[in-house]
Amino acid sequence: AQSVTQPDIHITVSEGASLELRCNYSYGATPYLFWYVQSPGQGLQLLLKYFSGDTLVQGIKGFEAEFKRSQSSFNLRKPSVHWSDAAEYFCAVGERTGANNLFFGTGTRLTVIP
Amino acid sequence: EAQVTQNPRYLITVTGKKLTVTCSQNMNHEYMSWYRQDPGLGLRQIYYSMNVEVTDKGDVPEGYKVSRKEKRNFPLILESPSPNQTSLYFCASHRGRRGFTDTQYFGPGTRLTVL
Repeated sequence: AQSVTQPDIHITVSEGASLELRCNYSYGATPYLFWYVQSPGQGLQLLLKYFSGDTLVQGIKGFEAEFKRSQSSFNLRKPSVHWSDAAEYFCAVGERTGANNLFFGTGTRLTVIP
Repeated sequence: EAQVTQNPRYLITVTGKKLTVTCSQNMNHEYMSWYRQDPGLGLRQIYYSMNVEVTDKGDVPEGYKVSRKEKRNFPLILESPSPNQTSLYFCASHRGRRGFTDTQYFGPGTRLTVL
């Protein structure tokens, strides 16, 4: 069965520091992979997605993620965090067949300190 | 503007009083789904629909019903709400091509409190 693990419930970083949010997945084949961001009181916004090809994916707001098949990981990175990046981040796995459902991790809350 | 709308955005109700949360999308998407979001649990899928009159259970369907009579609408029905259904609910849609997961568009959320 598909599953997504985000091992860090809460991360605090200083503004300007680099960021890496971890995501590990379990899926029988190469999955579709997504990162979403949810700002306080808002819905979910897609940051980036991986379907195939280049394993380093660029997204919006300066984020990138790298798919590593050998580690079943899809970690999200940003070289320099801004205060406006404070939010909750969700990794998700999409089914390639069938109903094309999305399975979400439990989320990582990011706090940015000045 | 492409969007998914939900109504109401906030709702406080009492145990056992039937309610409906509406969801509508203007992108002619085939696939629609409902999620609930709870602290520490992330988003869990309640029901989904791959097209008109085609619905199926997600991970947490107990206590919920859905219908898909029109392509654009996918209401979530709680016939006898209970306090454990207090949650933040999101509707989502995507094009739904078989074997291809397109970008899901999410509604703004409905915060439901059941007393």
